[in-house]
Amino acid sequence: KNEVEQSPQNLTAQEGEFITINCSYSVGISALHWLQQHPGGGIVSLFMLSSGKKKHGRLIATINIQEKHSSLHITASHPRDSAVYICALTSGTYKYIFGTGTRLKVLA
Amino acid sequence: EADIYQTPRYLVIGTGKKITLECSQTMGHDKMYWYQQDPGMELHLIHYSYGVNSTEKGDLSSESTVSRIRTEHFPLTLESARPSHTSQYLCASSDVQALYGYTFGSGTRLTVV
Repeated sequence: KNEVEQSPQNLTAQEGEFITINCSYSVGISALHWLQQHPGGGIVSLFMLSSGKKKHGRLIATINIQEKHSSLHITASHPRDSAVYICALTSGTYKYIFGTGTRLKVLA
Repeated sequence: EADIYQTPRYLVIGTGKKITLECSQTMGHDKMYWYQQDPGMELHLIHYSYGVNSTEKGDLSSESTVSRIRTEHFPLTLESARPSHTSQYLCASSDVQALYGYTFGSGTRLTVV
């Protein structure tokens, strides 16, 4: 069993829809990160969480430490949100443990 | 502006050639990393460094080598490129405890023909 599990693996949505991507993990963490990677592109860090909730524009990230679960929400989705969203953990070694990613496609 | 730079962005090269992928960061980060990523696949750590003159192999075995002579510079070298090396290579850096996560470069997409 992977230490980080993401769901869904693939997601297609219509423009304007509310989107939720989930991340569950099984190890102790110092922080959880949500990353975004556009096709053929580099990786951008969206959020780093150790507790609670963060919001940036149309993106909201939450984490429940007790349940070892995090969610990334996108409100009013847009085709430019189409990308791979990756959940990653940092723990004692400070090396990233990556989830398998969620491929999001938003249709106009 | 503090950032991390990778060059070249794209590289097509013949089998047997020696290549060096460049990675430089201006944030003064002690830790640097190289990841390999095949299209649509997960990231795999191939090398990392905790500081000058410190390099370690990552979780995925790689025929590449790295060096860290200066804090800001972490080049990756393939002595003899093969088609199996075709992939995207991503460089990243972080502070010692990755307090703010990693900063990633834009990647180098390598094709060996």
